[in-house]
Amino acid sequence: AQSVAQPEDQVNVAEGNPLTVKCTYSVSGNPYLFWYVQYPNRGLQFLLKYITGDNLVKGSYGFEAEFNKSQTSFHLKKPSALVSDSALYFCAVNRDNYGQNFVFGPGTRLSVLP
Amino acid sequence: KAGVTQTPRYLIKTRGQQVTLSCSPISGHRSVSWYQQTPGQGLQFLFEYFSETQRNKGNFPGRFSGRQFSNSRSEMNVSTLELGDSALYLCASSLLTGTSTADSPLHFGNGTRLTVT
Repeated sequence: AQSVAQPEDQVNVAEGNPLTVKCTYSVSGNPYLFWYVQYPNRGLQFLLKYITGDNLVKGSYGFEAEFNKSQTSFHLKKPSALVSDSALYFCAVNRDNYGQNFVFGPGTRLSVLP
Repeated sequence: KAGVTQTPRYLIKTRGQQVTLSCSPISGHRSVSWYQQTPGQGLQFLFEYFSETQRNKGNFPGRFSGRQFSNSRSEMNVSTLELGDSALYLCASSLLTGTSTADSPLHFGNGTRLTVT
């Protein structure tokens, strides 16, 4: 069964420092991996996706993610965190090749401290 | 281009009642999915509709149902409400690309927060 895990409930980082939000996956076949962000009282916003190709994927708002097949990981990164990056981050995988049936990780709350 | 619109934003219902939530997808998007978000269970997939047909279904009881209209707008219905149905219900639309849609991201609305008392 397709699944994703986010081992950290909470990540704290100082403004200006690099940030990493971790995700590991378990999928059969080629993984279609995504990162989403959720701000308070809002829906989720798409950040980036990995389908195939380069293991380093660049996305919105300066975020990037590194796909590592041997470690089955897809960690979200940003070189320099902003206070405005504080939000809830979700890793997700689509279980269906031809439809939309996403399974989401439990989420990681990122707090960027000024 | 307008985003995904969900109405209403907030609802308060009593146990045993039924409720209908509405979702208007981004123009041109034919796939509409529904998710339930709760603090305890996180984000859980309810169902997906494409061209007025339910294409995928999550593991929810039959009290949860949906439909999609010819203009891709979708509604979700919950009958015989229970306290545990209190949640944020999120609708998402997606643009199909070619024959494989697994790489199409979801575009979410801001959700309907349902409170059952």
